[in-house]
Amino acid sequence: DVKVTQSSRYLVKRTGEKVFLECVQDMDHENMFWYRQDPGLGLRLIYFSYDVKMKEKGDIPEGYSVSREKKERFSLILESASTNQTSMYLCASSFRRRANQPQHFGDGTRLSIL
Amino acid sequence: DAKTTQPNSMESNEEEPVHLPCNHSTISGTDYIHWYRQLPSQGPEYVIHGLTSNVNNRMASLAIAEDRKSSTLILHRATLRDAAVYYCILRDSADSWGKLQFGAGTQVVVTP
Repeated sequence: DVKVTQSSRYLVKRTGEKVFLECVQDMDHENMFWYRQDPGLGLRLIYFSYDVKMKEKGDIPEGYSVSREKKERFSLILESASTNQTSMYLCASSFRRRANQPQHFGDGTRLSIL
Repeated sequence: DAKTTQPNSMESNEEEPVHLPCNHSTISGTDYIHWYRQLPSQGPEYVIHGLTSNVNNRMASLAIAEDRKSSTLILHRATLRDAAVYYCILRDSADSWGKLQFGAGTQVVVTP
């Protein structure tokens, strides 16, 4: 089975801090994704990567950046955390970026910005 | 993007089958039908997907109507662990981003 591991289940940070969320997948998948999930807003794509050192903006990239130095690891960075970035953050991976390929998710990081 | 319509909630008794309907009347010929579920405090979990033919895997079965305007996810014997929100989504094979977009989904309640 595919394993996507997110570094923290729960995280509390302060406004203005730089926050790093880490994600690792063990299936040699090409594609990795960062989403956030908020009540009433559903799942929204922040960034995705289709190869090492490659990244594409999703629907809501403002205030975030990403890093993919190795194929198995995809990091999300909140440059200067703000309270409106309090959310559930979900990392996913897929073998290829095609509609018949499922995405496999980690358990999520519930991030609170105080 | 073509949209899907699902009931807000469904209840089932443990060890009985659950049939979850999904309507997608504006589906295009290149759309795949995917199902995911999300247990409380966990990330979404892929369940099954199909294009035209019915599909079976170890988790569930997917029955697709002949005109593809609706589909049904079948959990053959519900367990307490199947209590989750189930999302039916369409994924366009022409979509180069590959992003997922969930609607409200169906909350499945399983009663012992």
